[in-house]
Amino acid sequence: GEDVEQSLFLSVREGDSSVINCTYTDSSSTYLYWYKQEPGAGLQLLTYIFSNMDMKQDQRLTVLLNKKDKHLSLRIADTQTGDSAIYFCAEGTGRRALTFGSGTRLQVQP
Amino acid sequence: NAGVTQTPKFRVLKTGQSMTLLCAQDMNHEYMYWYRQDPGMGLRLIHYSVGEGTTAKGEVPDGYNVSRLKKQNFLLGLESAAPSQTSVYFCASSDQVRGLDSPLHFGNGTRLTVT
Repeated sequence: GEDVEQSLFLSVREGDSSVINCTYTDSSSTYLYWYKQEPGAGLQLLTYIFSNMDMKQDQRLTVLLNKKDKHLSLRIADTQTGDSAIYFCAEGTGRRALTFGSGTRLQVQP
Repeated sequence: NAGVTQTPKFRVLKTGQSMTLLCAQDMNHEYMYWYRQDPGMGLRLIHYSVGEGTTAKGEVPDGYNVSRLKKQNFLLGLESAAPSQTSVYFCASSDQVRGLDSPLHFGNGTRLTVT
């Protein structure tokens, strides 16, 4: 079945760029999402990309999609302490509910 | 604007007890979902609904039942709780514009401990 993989932990210094990576297995994925979860809260949608796009930029966030390798990344420029959270990627095909990765915990050190 | 509201926020159950988790959304969304979140395993779909009166099984449905009697509410029931059901439960909703690809709006979760 479909699978979404993420590394579990990333630590960066404040002001640096963060890159969170995700791989997925379903080649028919249509939309790919990034969600952010802060402690004690639910997931909030950060951004998404349609599968016919290679890149999407939204202020400090850049999403890159390599459909051939089934690889998705989220780059956060000028990372701040408020960016510390768990980041989930998710993918869908429209025929089933979204499949989520296990989440990457981003720790931003001052 | 409340969005998606889950009650209760916390609950402790003994093995074998039953309970119902309530999810309410005020966005007139057609689709609603129940996920569980466990450390290192991300979110796994338990059940979902694509409209009032309809439900469908997700990835991990065993031990749970759901009902969608009203469009705005989606109930998750545990008939006989087991320690393996200790988890954080998230409800989500979405519109139907992109079908099951529509972005999800999440509640803040219910932390359930089964002893």
